[in-house]
Amino acid sequence: DTEVTQTPKHLVMGMTNKKSLKCEQHMGHRAMYWYKQKAKKPPELMFVYSYEKLSINESVPSRFSPECPNSSLLNLHLHALQPEDSALYLCASSQVPGETQYFGPGTRLLVL
Amino acid sequence: AQSVTQPDIHITVSEGASLELRCNYSYGATPYLFWYVQSPGQGLQLLLKYFSGDTLVQGIKGFEAEFKRSQSSFNLRKPSVHWSDAAEYFCAVGPNAGNNRKLIWGLGTSLAVNP
Repeated sequence: DTEVTQTPKHLVMGMTNKKSLKCEQHMGHRAMYWYKQKAKKPPELMFVYSYEKLSINESVPSRFSPECPNSSLLNLHLHALQPEDSALYLCASSQVPGETQYFGPGTRLLVL
Repeated sequence: AQSVTQPDIHITVSEGASLELRCNYSYGATPYLFWYVQSPGQGLQLLLKYFSGDTLVQGIKGFEAEFKRSQSSFNLRKPSVHWSDAAEYFCAVGPNAGNNRKLIWGLGTSLAVNP
């Protein structure tokens, strides 16, 4: 089983809202990732968690705040987003950092 | 500089025809190599990967890819395309060692399939 789940599938939020994206995997993977993807573009890495610790932050604005409550869960907290943050947000996991990444279906975010 | 090039932005093939999507990379050492497919509005699905060993790798959905070290290429092939193969295809490479194991992505190739 190589399933990564993400909720919600779609999210519309205003620029003053606070919302969270959730990602879950039960494959025992110890690395989890957040990506942002614009239409017709490759995904852009945002954050990497390795063994539940933040190991890579790709200079992402502080309005995006990741959290890894346990080895199966990854959250992305959103606050005061801008319209240009509208995108598909993808979560991925791998057994360990650098190994094959398995992606979830994504959350399509629209910021109004 | 490390980079991945997918020379074809858009390809159109007829159903039943063969397909080859090109991927070239620039990297200091032999990297891990991946092909992912993304259907509209969906996440990325792993088609196949190369880490080491046999340079011809088989993937899901009838796809295969061949690693050619001398050409720094990892081209994706399928002998007979189905309409459901219409999607965006991404080639990616990653380091096989080190702490900072980020993937480097090509810009993608959009595949359209004519009936």
